[in-house]
Amino acid sequence: NAGVTQTPKFQVLKTGQSMTLQCAQDMNHEYMSWYRQDPGMGLRLIHYSVGAGITDQGEVPNGYNVSRSTTEDFPLRLLSAAPSQTSVYFCASRFTPSGGLGNEQFFGPGTRLTVL
Amino acid sequence: AQKITQTQPGMFVQEKEAVTLDCTYDTSDPSYGLFWYKQPSSGEMIFLIYQGSYDQQNATEGRYSLNFQKARKSANLVISASQLGDSAMYFCAMRERGRDDKIIFGKGTRLHILP
Repeated sequence: NAGVTQTPKFQVLKTGQSMTLQCAQDMNHEYMSWYRQDPGMGLRLIHYSVGAGITDQGEVPNGYNVSRSTTEDFPLRLLSAAPSQTSVYFCASRFTPSGGLGNEQFFGPGTRLTVL
Repeated sequence: AQKITQTQPGMFVQEKEAVTLDCTYDTSDPSYGLFWYKQPSSGEMIFLIYQGSYDQQNATEGRYSLNFQKARKSANLVISASQLGDSAMYFCAMRERGRDDKIIFGKGTRLHILP
């Protein structure tokens, strides 16, 4: 298993450009999430999905769109990049077993994005 | 509102000593889970330990243990016999059943182990 994969690893954008951060998992996990990590802020939830076709907003959704057409993929789209979106982005996935809360969340390696 | 607080931005500890990383949380949901993750300088997120709100005993995983004090809403991570490789960022996180199963993270504590 490859686990959770993210592409690209690094990206530099100019203000106003758009791009899509790719995330894929091969563990048949229902639940997938996107976080951004900024110094002193920890990880903040951007968007999440409880299964194919279902997405919802997290703590900091503005400026980002997501879709979940398959169980495996959960891309994050920046429609018009801004310098405030300079960050490290993590994708994560896990099972959502009924009745349980303890299953581990698996993280991708992260994408370091710089917006000039 | 769901909230995780880690009050120690940074800590310095001598090698081989035990270290406690603080985490307090705020929730009105009786069913929740608490996690600790480690992030070394290489950047990956490593799951360390989990504690459920209904678990009767404190969780342990090797040198890691979670000091769970439910009434105080505290879930401190204890690392016994610290090693140089323990130098990293540590995040406390919480998951609530009633909040769409979201996992929310604290701001983290950077731990430095001194030789």
